[in-house]
Amino acid sequence: DGGITQSPKYLFRKEGQNVTLSCEQNLNHDAMYWYRQDPGQGLRLIYYSQIVNDFQKGDIAEGYSVSREKKESFPLTVTSAQKNPTAFYLCASSSGGSGANVLTFGAGSRLTVL
Amino acid sequence: GQSLEQPSEVTAVEGAIVQINCTYQTSGFYGLSWYQQHDGGAPTFLSYNGLDGLEETGRFSSFLSRSDSYGYLLLQELQMKDSASYFCAVRAPEGKAAGNKLTFGGGTRVLVKP
Repeated sequence: DGGITQSPKYLFRKEGQNVTLSCEQNLNHDAMYWYRQDPGQGLRLIYYSQIVNDFQKGDIAEGYSVSREKKESFPLTVTSAQKNPTAFYLCASSSGGSGANVLTFGAGSRLTVL
Repeated sequence: GQSLEQPSEVTAVEGAIVQINCTYQTSGFYGLSWYQQHDGGAPTFLSYNGLDGLEETGRFSSFLSRSDSYGYLLLQELQMKDSASYFCAVRAPEGKAAGNKLTFGGGTRVLVKP
């Protein structure tokens, strides 16, 4: 079945460490996105990518970095510059054109900073 | 940028009807989407309105008025499984990646009681 796989599901990090969250999709979607969700809050866009080797900053990109070397993969690195990284991270993808209105989400990665 | 407002919480009984309103402010507009998210889970797509009017999908309907920058999600014949958070999202042009960015509202938590 097609879908989005995020790993790890749970991750613990010490302050000052960088961590990378994996996101892989087999839906043949062109666009991929990373959102952050804090408890009881909405989704805030970190980065998004419409095509391979191209990505744009979202609303809260500071302290994060991404790459898009393959269509299927869009990893997110949470750097030590991110002051409050504890959150639920959601990766999503969509097709182009009118399909961009429908995002398919992965199950999420929950990051806790100790 | 874009901003969206929706009520934080709604409580209703099984079999009732709930309407979740969403007002938005955007510099350009392609459409309004709705997503459902159960606690700890990933958001799933419910419906999309690109033009004014009502879209019906089973027990759920969504309405859009572009002149009023307003939409709503109508949940009919409420069931216990409908207890979840519901997010409106606006697709709007932003920078060089015009049309492929979705901005989410803060979410409305719906609690269905027996």
